[in-house]
Amino acid sequence: DQQVKQNSPSLSVQEGRISILNCDYTNSMFDYFLWYKKYPAEGPTFLISISSIKDKNEDGRFTVFLNKSAKHLSLHIVPSQPGDSAVYFCAASQVWDDKIIFGKGTRLHILP
Amino acid sequence: DAGVIQSPRHEVTEMGQEVTLRCKPISGHNSLFWYRQTMMRGLELLIYFNNNVPIDDSGMPEDRFSAKMPNASFSTLKIQPSEPRDSAVYFCASSDPRDRAKGTDTQYFGPGTRLTVL
Repeated sequence: DQQVKQNSPSLSVQEGRISILNCDYTNSMFDYFLWYKKYPAEGPTFLISISSIKDKNEDGRFTVFLNKSAKHLSLHIVPSQPGDSAVYFCAASQVWDDKIIFGKGTRLHILP
Repeated sequence: DAGVIQSPRHEVTEMGQEVTLRCKPISGHNSLFWYRQTMMRGLELLIYFNNNVPIDDSGMPEDRFSAKMPNASFSTLKIQPSEPRDSAVYFCASSDPRDRAKGTDTQYFGPGTRLTVL
């Protein structure tokens, strides 16, 4: 039973346009959400996070939106750049729990 | 800081052999996590430790898998005997208790060990 779902295995976006990566979760107890980015042959690296008390968090070109009623979050990258080509993992946790539950990832290709 | 260090980076072994993966967490981090990444299952948590004590090993697939953390700066994940279906990338990650206290808990991953069991 997957608690964090990324239903798009891959996504291709033109350079300069907006990339939108989606994530759904099933556990209503999750109150902290993260996005990680992974390049080939490297470990995932933390990108951005959001607490359930917010519905938006922005960091430069990256913005995460949280819709608690829909149990949905999304990562927006504007504008998309070639270096953004990577696998993006959505993850969720509860503040009291050390565990972070990851989705399967979405591979983003930025096209020239 | 050098970040989380894992060794070896690549391991090729034959079915039935024992495999030991090693991890050195970031100094000062008191939580350590072992993950396995496969195409089918994505990034799944195998086991994690707090202050060197195993807290949750519910993700360990079978008794063939075991993990230890003898001190704050070293952990091992052992597979004995190994099977072809164990082929995957194994990641170790650590986290900082100060991040958790701030409510901004994140995990820092090592580069991974790519295991191939023939």
